[in-house]
Amino acid sequence: DIQMTQSPFSLSASVGDRVAITCQASQDVDTRLNWYQLKPGKAPKLLIYDATKLETGVPSKFRGTGSGTHFTLIINSLQPEDIATYFCQQYDNLPPYTFGQGTKVEVK
Amino acid sequence: EVQLVESGGGLVQPGGSLRLSCAASEFTFSRYWMSWVRQAPGKGLEWVANIKQDGSEKYYVDSVKGRFTISRDNAKNSLYMQMNSLRAEDTAVYYCARMFDYVWDYWGQGTLVTVSS
Repeated sequence: DIQMTQSPFSLSASVGDRVAITCQASQDVDTRLNWYQLKPGKAPKLLIYDATKLETGVPSKFRGTGSGTHFTLIINSLQPEDIATYFCQQYDNLPPYTFGQGTKVEVK
Repeated sequence: EVQLVESGGGLVQPGGSLRLSCAASEFTFSRYWMSWVRQAPGKGLEWVANIKQDGSEKYYVDSVKGRFTISRDNAKNSLYMQMNSLRAEDTAVYYCARMFDYVWDYWGQGTLVTVSS
């Protein structure tokens, strides 16, 4: 199974800051990588698919980069509504589809 | 707007059974793969199972194989998960999610399953 290592586990940043979350795959997944946002009590939300493509309706402050084994989610101009846990997820042609451990983002 | 609404969660004793349901609306349910994904308390997300549009293909994470069964009723726009021989480690919020090109583009809000004596 492909393992996803996400970092940091948590981060605290100020309003307006740019934050970056990284995700490393245990083997090459090309661009088969998605990012999700999870807020308590709410449905998870797709942010980025295929490593770099912004889901419809998601603000352009969210940006995904990378391919192969190393990926990054960038959040520009952090706002209080961005408080959430963010997960990367790889997909191969067949399951299991695995997630990173998650990054909890807090605003100072 | 696409809606996925889970139900059926609750408290169950170890070794017990539970059946989760997911009611889908505002999209053509029969055209999509569907999934169950769970999040244990304080843990990350874990894919649990997938089912093809017509139910002919099903996939499971190793930890639930032989215990959980995913199914669907396209006439009722509903997804199900029959969970047997439940263990404490199955305690989690279970999400129903629509899959499109290997992307979970819509999710429900989840239903909590607690396995405890």
